[in-house]
Amino acid sequence: AQKVTQAQTEISVVEKEDVTLDCVYETRDTTYYLFWYKQPPSGELVFLIRRNSFDEQNEISGRYSWNFQKSTSSFNFTITASQVVDSAVYFCALHSSNTGKLIFGQGTTLQVKP
Amino acid sequence: DAGITQSPRYKITETGRQVTLMCHQTWSHSYMFWYRQDLGHGLRLIYYSAAADITDKGEVPDGYVVSRSKTENFPLTLESATRSQTSVYFCASKGTRDTGELFFGEGSRLTVL
Repeated sequence: AQKVTQAQTEISVVEKEDVTLDCVYETRDTTYYLFWYKQPPSGELVFLIRRNSFDEQNEISGRYSWNFQKSTSSFNFTITASQVVDSAVYFCALHSSNTGKLIFGQGTTLQVKP
Repeated sequence: DAGITQSPRYKITETGRQVTLMCHQTWSHSYMFWYRQDLGHGLRLIYYSAAADITDKGEVPDGYVVSRSKTENFPLTLESATRSQTSVYFCASKGTRDTGELFFGEGSRLTVL
C-alpha cells in the first residue's frame, strides 16, 4: 500500500523565518516519484517539484529547497526567509510508476505573518 | 483554449439528487483523475482512468460513478448525492503512466444540502 504522511497540520511563522515542511512516505515500488504542490488561497494547485526515487540529490530553487532521504522515506521541503506570499497549503505526493496513480498527503497549512 | 476545464465550478444540490461534474482536457492525455479535497484529509483519489474505456477505483470510490467514452472527457457522477459528498472536486490529467506531474483543473465546489 502507498501512503503519504504530512504530520504538521498547520504551521505559523513570522516573515523571514525559515520553515521546514515534513513529508514521510510508504511504498513498495522500487521506482517512484515524489512531488510537492502548493495551493494558495485562490485554490489552484501549483506544481513545485518532482523527484525521481533514484535521484537523492538535494535541490535548491531560490528560497525553496528539498531534502530527499530514501533511508528515512522522507522528502522534506524548506522555505528560507519566508514571505507572506508563501502562505498556502502545501501537499506532498507520491507517484507509483506501476499504477500511474498520484497519492497525496493531508497537506500542511502554512501561515506567514508579517 | 488548451487545457483542462471543469464544469460547473459551483453547484448546490439536495440530498438524493443526481449530479454530474464534467471534466474536459484538450491535450489528448491518456490519464485522467478525480480527487476530492476536504479539510483534514487533503486530496483523496476517487477514480482514475488510464485510457478511454478503462477506469479504476481510487481511495474513496463509494457513491461515485465515472465513465470515459472519449479520451478528452471524464465525467464524475454522484448518483444519489449525500451531505458527506460536499467537497471541492479536482479533475487532473497527464500524458503517460511514467509522467508523474498532473495538470489540474480549477476545481468544482459542490454543496449538498
